[in-house]
Amino acid sequence: LAKTTQPISMDSYEGQEVNITCSHNNIATNDYITWYQQFPSQGPRFIIQGYKTKVTNEVASLFIPADRKSSTLSLPRVSLSDTAVYYCLVGDYGSGNTGKLIFGQGTTLQVKP
Amino acid sequence: SQTIHQWPATLVQPVGSPLSLECTVEGTSNPNLYWYRQAAGRGLQLLFYSVGIGQISSEVPQNLSASRPQDRQFILSSKKLLLSDSGFYLCAWSGAGGPSYEQYFGPGTRLTVT
Repeated sequence: LAKTTQPISMDSYEGQEVNITCSHNNIATNDYITWYQQFPSQGPRFIIQGYKTKVTNEVASLFIPADRKSSTLSLPRVSLSDTAVYYCLVGDYGSGNTGKLIFGQGTTLQVKP
Repeated sequence: SQTIHQWPATLVQPVGSPLSLECTVEGTSNPNLYWYRQAAGRGLQLLFYSVGIGQISSEVPQNLSASRPQDRQFILSSKKLLLSDSGFYLCAWSGAGGPSYEQYFGPGTRLTVT
């Protein structure tokens, strides 16, 4: 599974857009990029997944350049409740795969008032 | 709708004592099941995963074991706990045969070994 690198921590203020970038230089052709969110003392929660270009849902957007060696999670207009750890994961999670998610240390996002 | 349960929520156990953590899933059939551990301030570490009853794959050799006696029941056990077993234990499931990047996590068990 491809190794990922993301910032350890980030600070932001309420109402700002937050962009968290993840590097995955060794991403394989069949690999997907997935982001999870974890609040303290809770299990992670799936946010978004993509393969290339841009994916948007009601929570976030995911930007993936053509070479797929990095990806950026964009959170629009964050609030205090978005304070959490955000994990970037890369792997072959195609249909039928057993889905071994490899979590790194993630990025701790602190949203301030 | 699907729900996942874990118990107990918290546990304090002495070194050398046995352990049994239970996880059950409702509202789905033949799920893939996973046990993760998260040490304080760290990311999640996959311990075991199962694609069916009696089918267990171990990711990290250690003094823990897992069993799946029923389709939607996953148990994590130890005969003798170590101090290093302390952590936040999370059970998760994903749909069988479908994209497995979307896993659903339970509320977790916080284990402190003293």
